[in-house]
Amino acid sequence: NAGVTQTPKFQVLKTGQSMTLQCAQDMNHNSMYWYRQDPGMGLRLIYYSASEGTTDKGEVPNGYNVSRLNKREFSLRLESAAPSQTSVYFCASNYPGQRDSPLHFGNGTRLTVT
Amino acid sequence: AQSVSQHNHHVILSEAASLELGCNYSYGGTVNLFWYVQYPGQHLQLLLKYFSGDPLVKGIKGFEAEFIKSKFSFNLRKPSVQWSDTAEYFCAVIGRNDYKLSFGAGTTVTVRA
Repeated sequence: NAGVTQTPKFQVLKTGQSMTLQCAQDMNHNSMYWYRQDPGMGLRLIYYSASEGTTDKGEVPNGYNVSRLNKREFSLRLESAAPSQTSVYFCASNYPGQRDSPLHFGNGTRLTVT
Repeated sequence: AQSVSQHNHHVILSEAASLELGCNYSYGGTVNLFWYVQYPGQHLQLLLKYFSGDPLVKGIKGFEAEFIKSKFSFNLRKPSVQWSDTAEYFCAVIGRNDYKLSFGAGTTVTVRA
């Protein structure tokens, strides 16, 4: 049981390049999330998908797009990377309809944009 | 909009000392509350959670937290820390009918042997 799997673990991009961060969960969770973690700012929600076929903006969606490919997979795309997007990105999933359903996190992707 | 405030950015203490990390939130409704821990180089893991009932919640590794509704607080405590408790700790809150979990900025705890 792998839980939440993110790829890649590390990535270096040049300004203007594009890339897609992949996330998959094998817990049959309905909802999936993308967060970015920056020093002193905690985790900030970029986008989330409450259920298969839906996506919504979080706190900091600018510069990102997402795709909920199926129930298992939720990808995050940077169309034109900027240095401000240097961060650690975490994917997470849960059953929001269940009262005691905490988020399960992946191991993170450390992205550097030069 | 909901928000979470963690009082301390960095706490340094010796083994066997007691730990208390402050967390206050603002939200205009019923909330669920969490503490997550992130060990160096790892992803976030759930430490404990509060949904309803007894406001004193016990989690893993000897941690506990107390929900004080009147103070909008959910402070984390451990009576005697170990070196292995060195980590970053995040308080988080979500409205009962919401999808968006909001995190505090985190508190880095360094325990010296």
